[in-house]
Amino acid sequence: DAKTTQPPSMDCAEGRAANLPCNHSTISGNEYVYWYRQIHSQGPQYIIHGLKNNETNEMASLIITEDRKSSTLILPHATLRDTAVYYCIVPLYNNNDMRFGAGTRLTVKP
Amino acid sequence: GAVVSQHPSWVICKSGTSVKIECRSLDFQATTMFWYRQFPKQSLMLMATSNEGSKATYEQGVEKDKFLINHASLTLSTLTVTSAHPEDSSFYICSAWDRADTEAFFGQGTRLTVV
Repeated sequence: DAKTTQPPSMDCAEGRAANLPCNHSTISGNEYVYWYRQIHSQGPQYIIHGLKNNETNEMASLIITEDRKSSTLILPHATLRDTAVYYCIVPLYNNNDMRFGAGTRLTVKP
Repeated sequence: GAVVSQHPSWVICKSGTSVKIECRSLDFQATTMFWYRQFPKQSLMLMATSNEGSKATYEQGVEKDKFLINHASLTLSTLTVTSAHPEDSSFYICSAWDRADTEAFFGQGTRLTVV
């Protein structure tokens, strides 16, 4: 898997946008960027993924830079329930094993 | 969406006994499933890749004789922790990709406590 680097922790005010960055400078041209989150003592939850175009779904938006070496997950209106550890993962093409880094612990504060 | 279910959600066992954890894909077939272990305040660590009808592939440092994996069907993989010891106490999680290989789904996890 391409190595990813994320800040260990971030805070966000409730109702504001949370922007979580991820560096993946060794990503290959056909490897996707995935974002998952894990709320305490639960299995990881899928958020979004993308290849090179920006993506949006009901949970979040994913902005991938043109050189694909970094991306940003955006939670447009963070709520207290978005407090979790967020993982940016780039699985090896055609291999599919998800290897987790340390992730970013996002704390949404009232 | 696709669902991966683990059973049990939690288990307490005595040291020296074996514990089996089941991972089922409920509405899709999974030729490959993955098993992870997570210690408190740490990230998930991939233990092994479970392949239907063949031997599992273990990550370096994971004892295959201690963590027995069986992937007997396209919807079921099991992880058996043999001769469990307190240091095996952890949160075990399985995952599987959907048929289109677009998204990996994770089970809810099994908390194992060995006393």
